[in-house]
Amino acid sequence: AQTVTQSQPEMSVQEAETVTLSCTYDTSESDYYLFWYKQPPSRQMILVIRQEAYKQQNATENRFSVNFQKAAKSFSLKISDSQLGDAAMYFCAYRSAGGSQGNLIFGKGTKLSVKP
Amino acid sequence: DGGITQSPKYLFRKEGQNVTLSCEQNLNHDAMYWYRQDPGQGLRLIYYSQIVNDFQKGDIAEGYSVSREKKESFPLTVTSAQKNPTAFYLCASSRRDRISSGANVLTFGAGSRLTVL
Repeated sequence: AQTVTQSQPEMSVQEAETVTLSCTYDTSESDYYLFWYKQPPSRQMILVIRQEAYKQQNATENRFSVNFQKAAKSFSLKISDSQLGDAAMYFCAYRSAGGSQGNLIFGKGTKLSVKP
Repeated sequence: DGGITQSPKYLFRKEGQNVTLSCEQNLNHDAMYWYRQDPGQGLRLIYYSQIVNDFQKGDIAEGYSVSREKKESFPLTVTSAQKNPTAFYLCASSRRDRISSGANVLTFGAGSRLTVL
C-alpha cells in the first residue's frame, strides 16, 4: 500500500523569505500523480500544485515550486517570497494513475506559520 | 459559479442517531468522494463513487453509508454504528477520464463539522 509521510508537523517562516516543506512517499508503482494542497483556517482544501510522475521537469505555479526526486521518492514544496496569506496547513498527497484512480492518499500535514 | 456545496456546515447529533451530510456539485464531474479529517491527521477516505448507482468503500467505511442516485449528489449518512463520529467531513469530486490534464485533480467542498453530544 502507498504511504505519504510529512516529517515536519510545524514550520515557521519570516514574511518575504523562502521555506521548503518536505514530503516522502512509498510506492511500487511507476505512474502516479503528486499534489500539494493548502488548508487555510477556513478549512477549504485548495490545490497548490501538482506533478505527474512521468514528467522530469519540476512543476511551478507562481511562488510555489516543487523538487520532485522520483528515485528518492521525495516531493518537497518550496514557497518563495512568503506572504501572510500562505499561513495554513499543507498536505502532500499521492494518487495512482492506474486502476480505479479511487483514492487520494494524504500525509498528516505541515502547519506553516508566517511571521510579519 | 461551479463548485461543491456541502451542508450543513455544523451539525450536532445525539448518540444513537443517524445523520446525513449533503454534498452537491455542479462541475459535471463523474467521480465523488467523502473524506474524514481528525485533528493531527491527514484526510482518510470513507467512500467514493465513479459513476451513478455505483460506489466503493474506502479505508474507513464502517459505520457510514452513501448513495449515488444522481450525478450531482453524493450524500453521506453517519449511522449510530460509527463509534467515534465527531470529525470534520470533506466531500470532493473529479473528472473520471484519464486523458485531460485536470482529470486527477480533486475539487473540495468547504466541509461539514459533526459533533456528537
